[in-house]
Amino acid sequence: QSALTQPASVSGSPGQSITISCTGTSSDVGGSNYVSWYQHHPGNAPKLLIYDLTERPSGVSNRFSGSKSGNTASLTISGLQAEDEADYFCSSYTTSSTWVFGGGTKLTVL
Amino acid sequence: QVQLQESGPGLVKPSGTLSLTCAVSGDSITSRDWWNWVRQFPGKGLEWIGEIYHGGSTNYSPSLKSRVTLSVDKSKNQFSLNLKSVTAADTAVYYCARGSWLSLFYYMDVWGKGTTVTVSS
Repeated sequence: QSALTQPASVSGSPGQSITISCTGTSSDVGGSNYVSWYQHHPGNAPKLLIYDLTERPSGVSNRFSGSKSGNTASLTISGLQAEDEADYFCSSYTTSSTWVFGGGTKLTVL
Repeated sequence: QVQLQESGPGLVKPSGTLSLTCAVSGDSITSRDWWNWVRQFPGKGLEWIGEIYHGGSTNYSPSLKSRVTLSVDKSKNQFSLNLKSVTAADTAVYYCARGSWLSLFYYMDVWGKGTTVTVSS
């Protein structure tokens, strides 16, 4: 069982927006701004989408955005595109100086 | 372009030792980065295994600390994972990842494609 809780799946139609949640505790997400999000097309290397809760690495579309409220971080994808269909997982640095991950969310673009 | 490539046996016997290597290209293992191992179980959940700095400093997951050893080979620009006393529960896809300073903190910004390891007799 993963340390951070994500929904197993979400879906949306092209052009719509979806949000994926990532719920932890005060020892990780709630107590840390070192939260990141990844996109993973199975068989490929995971790709960093968001770091520092809200920052995007160079080259990542501004359709991806991050936020946090309490112990829950969220990834929002706006203007859904077919190529966004992938697995998404979150990660947080913890107060114990370790990393924890979510169980991953499968995004289906209808 | 930075690339990481995992390699090692795809099948390990129970009670044996899982040994994997991550070859780094496009970056120096002696940079300011931390070098990580992460695994993904068949049910999709991910687990951080640990990280190593080129100087030899390491941080391990508390749940795996007694069984894990990470090491760096500067001459080959690669780092390695040894996990001893494996059981079927260690069956997973193993990823190596670079921990790079993107802000005031470091994040796993480049990953390998992963290698599947099955523990079975």
